Amino acid sequence: QVQLVESGGGVVQPGRSLRVSCAASGFSISGRAMHWVRQAPGKGLEGVAVISYDGSRTNYADSVKGRFAISRDNSQNTLSLQMNSLRTEDTAIYYCVMLTSSGWFSPPESWGQGTLVTVSS
Amino acid sequence: DIQMTQSPSSLSASVGDRVTITCRASQDIRTSLAWVQQKPGKAPKSLIYGASSLQSGVPPKFTGSGSGTDFTLTISNLQPEDSATYYCQQYGGYPFTFGPGTKVEIK
Repeated sequence: QVQLVESGGGVVQPGRSLRVSCAASGFSISGRAMHWVRQAPGKGLEGVAVISYDGSRTNYADSVKGRFAISRDNSQNTLSLQMNSLRTEDTAIYYCVMLTSSGWFSPPESWGQGTLVTVSS
Repeated sequence: DIQMTQSPSSLSASVGDRVTITCRASQDIRTSLAWVQQKPGKAPKSLIYGASSLQSGVPPKFTGSGSGTDFTLTISNLQPEDSATYYCQQYGGYPFTFGPGTKVEIK
């Protein structure tokens, strides 16, 4: 059974950078597209970035395009999200999500427990 | 972006009841529709994909239907552990977008 564990969250000032990561265990993610989804405090879910199974293609929500970068290391079974030029509105729990297939137009299968990123001066 | 709406925004029902949640997409997404359950303070959990297929381990009390722009999630024999917020999500186009959620409470 796949387990996804996020790490790297914390408090960061506006304009600074932060990198969050997701470590998978119990299953190889190398054949699966992966997704980052976030949830602002008391709000709903928002898709942030998606990456193909081999890392060759990525896509981003308009709200983070040009500031965030998703990447993966299949040899280490990990997923990352580099967040630059952070804004207060980026404050959220960030969830790592494994999709059901290699193609990114596929549904979510497994979710991590999330890591909280707080952007505040 | 594809916009997703849900109704009702919240509902309260009794143990043993059957409840239905509706989700509508702003354009045709065929059956690229998933349902996700989130209990308070917990991470989301995937329930249904392809509008009507159950994720592994999900009990058949959850049933999904629909295609195109209109979808429903039905929960049968409602139990206290079903108290949660339910989101629909389209994955037919990026960014994947979620509905605003339906909060299900037990009377």
